[in-house]
Amino acid sequence: EVQLVQSGAEVKKPGESLKISCKGSGYTFANYWLGWVRQMPGKGLEWMGIIYPGDSDTRYSPSFQGQVTISADKSISTAYLQWSSLKASDTAMYYCARRVGATPWFDPWGQGTLVTVSS
Amino acid sequence: QSVLTQPPSVSGAPGQRVTISCTGSSSNIGAGYDVHWYQHLPGTAPKLLIYGNSNRPSGVPDRFSGSKSGTSASLAITGLQAEDEADYYCQSYDSSLSGSVFGGGTKLTVL
Repeated sequence: EVQLVQSGAEVKKPGESLKISCKGSGYTFANYWLGWVRQMPGKGLEWMGIIYPGDSDTRYSPSFQGQVTISADKSISTAYLQWSSLKASDTAMYYCARRVGATPWFDPWGQGTLVTVSS
Repeated sequence: QSVLTQPPSVSGAPGQRVTISCTGSSSNIGAGYDVHWYQHLPGTAPKLLIYGNSNRPSGVPDRFSGSKSGTSASLAITGLQAEDEADYYCQSYDSSLSGSVFGGGTKLTVL
């Protein structure tokens, strides 16, 4: 079974750094693009960016370029999303999802990581 | 403001049929990029419902169907059931943004 398992919920203060993870199993992790999606409280889904773990080729949505860093370690089938200095507006649920197909869709999705940034 | 536009909410009684629209532009749906649909229940991971405009993954009931025409796409749900109450999102690719885009989401209420 293809599965993505994300790290647990985080509570941080503004200005702190954070790295959350997404571990894939049941498929060749290096061979599929993996994306990150944000859902702010009461809002919809926003595509943040994607990474190809095979060579760490990374693409960002213009809205998130420079705001976060996406990385991956194919040796442990894990992708990461990190912030160097969190803001209260980063409070959201973050999902990872495997990108599939030529006109790509996302399947499956991780269970989500809730990030709360509050002083 | 989402790149793809969906109605904020739709509703229907059990057994009825509802449709959810997804309107894009010439840089995404209108450019020929496929539309995909997801069902999102509170507290769970989004689930792929339709891919490639009209294809259902294994396990998705045939009560769910998708279509695409021009710069728009639609998700139809027939024989509404209480368990269908969820948020539904369309997704495509946008050439001007060089990345995936989502609709704003539609909350389906089963009356």
